[in-house]
Amino acid sequence: NAGVMQNPRHLVRRRGQEARLRCSPMKGHSHVYWYRQLPEEGLKFMVYLQKENIIDESGMPKERFSAEFPKEGPSILRIQQVVRGDSAAYFCASSPLVGLSGNTIYFGEGSWLTVV
Amino acid sequence: AQTVTQSQPEMSVQEAETVTLSCTYDTSENNYYLFWYKQPPSRQMILVIRQEAYKQQNATENRFSVNFQKAAKSFSLKISDSQLGDTAMYFCAFITNTGNQFYFGTGTSLTVIP
Repeated sequence: NAGVMQNPRHLVRRRGQEARLRCSPMKGHSHVYWYRQLPEEGLKFMVYLQKENIIDESGMPKERFSAEFPKEGPSILRIQQVVRGDSAAYFCASSPLVGLSGNTIYFGEGSWLTVV
Repeated sequence: AQTVTQSQPEMSVQEAETVTLSCTYDTSENNYYLFWYKQPPSRQMILVIRQEAYKQQNATENRFSVNFQKAAKSFSLKISDSQLGDTAMYFCAFITNTGNQFYFGTGTSLTVIP
């Protein structure tokens, strides 16, 4: 029973390039979340998606960042024109439900982006 | 505002001893869920324990237990019989019934000393 799968685990990009991070949720989970962890900090919410819908993107930077969760395939977090400050661990999580049921979310192993 | 505060950046404990990690939070909501996550050197986020705010009974999971004080908005984690494998960053977090996101503290780095 596979957990949340993220790839790549490690990604190095030069300033100005694009980074694409992929996340496949756990089987049966239709809710995906992206969190960012900067060095020495806790996780910060970025975006919450359901299939083909962005539900809450209040934590996403207004420029250069976008996310999608298509009907088929993994969720993608895309960072255009990366800068050094984008270097961080990006965690994807999934859950079957949120809110009232208070379901736990399950995290992937993270993708480490290094911008050089 | 929804916030989580972990006031102990680093802690250490002797193997087999007991340690308590502190966490306070702030929310105006009445219904929410609290969590402790562990992040070992592998950096994976692992759920340790979960507590529903409407439950008065403190959650327990093997050697891990919590002291949940709703009025004080306090949610501490007690680790009994500490093991070397408990060495990790520990993050306190919560989500409200009506919210979409988890709020995380900045973490406590725990080292278990042999």
